[in-house]
Amino acid sequence: DQQVKQNSPSLSVQEGRISILNCDYTNSMFDYFLWYKKYPAEGPTFLISISSIKDKNEDGRFTVFLNKSAKHLSLHIVPSQPGDSAVYFCAASGTSYDKVIFGPGTSLSVIP
Amino acid sequence: DSGVTQTPKHLITATGQRVTLRCSPRSGDLSVYWYQQSLDQGLQFLIQYYNGEERAKGNILERFSAQQFPDLHSELNLSSLELGDSALYFCASSSGGGRNTEAFFGQGTRLTVV
Repeated sequence: DQQVKQNSPSLSVQEGRISILNCDYTNSMFDYFLWYKKYPAEGPTFLISISSIKDKNEDGRFTVFLNKSAKHLSLHIVPSQPGDSAVYFCAASGTSYDKVIFGPGTSLSVIP
Repeated sequence: DSGVTQTPKHLITATGQRVTLRCSPRSGDLSVYWYQQSLDQGLQFLIQYYNGEERAKGNILERFSAQQFPDLHSELNLSSLELGDSALYFCASSSGGGRNTEAFFGQGTRLTVV
């Protein structure tokens, strides 16, 4: 039973455009969400996070939106750059939940 | 460089064997996590240790075990290896025991069982 879902295995975007990566979760105990980026042959690196007390968090070109009622979050990258091409993992954890659970990942390709 | 060190980087072994993967967390981090990434799969949480004690358990097989030592490094032991255990094994660490903190990942150990 996948508690964190990323239904798009891959996404292609033109350089300079917006990339939108989506994530859905099922466990209402999750109240903290993170996005990680992973290049081939490297470990995942932390990108941005959001607590459930917020509905938006911005860091430079990266913005994460959280819709708690829909149990949905999304990562927006504007403008997209070729160096953003990587696998993006959504992850969830919580104050009352011990584990950090990762989604299956979305492979983003930014085309020059 | 995340500051998390995993050794070895690559490991090839035969079915039925036992291997040990090692992880040194970032300086000062008390929590260590182990994840498995099989081909085309996401990161499957295996187990978490905090300051030497098991904190949370995921889908870790009984053939697998882990521990965290007083110097905070951790080892993941995989025994009676099967072909399906071939995967990338990641270690991550985070400060404190807080769940709402980001983890820093090592580069992984690629295990191939033949």
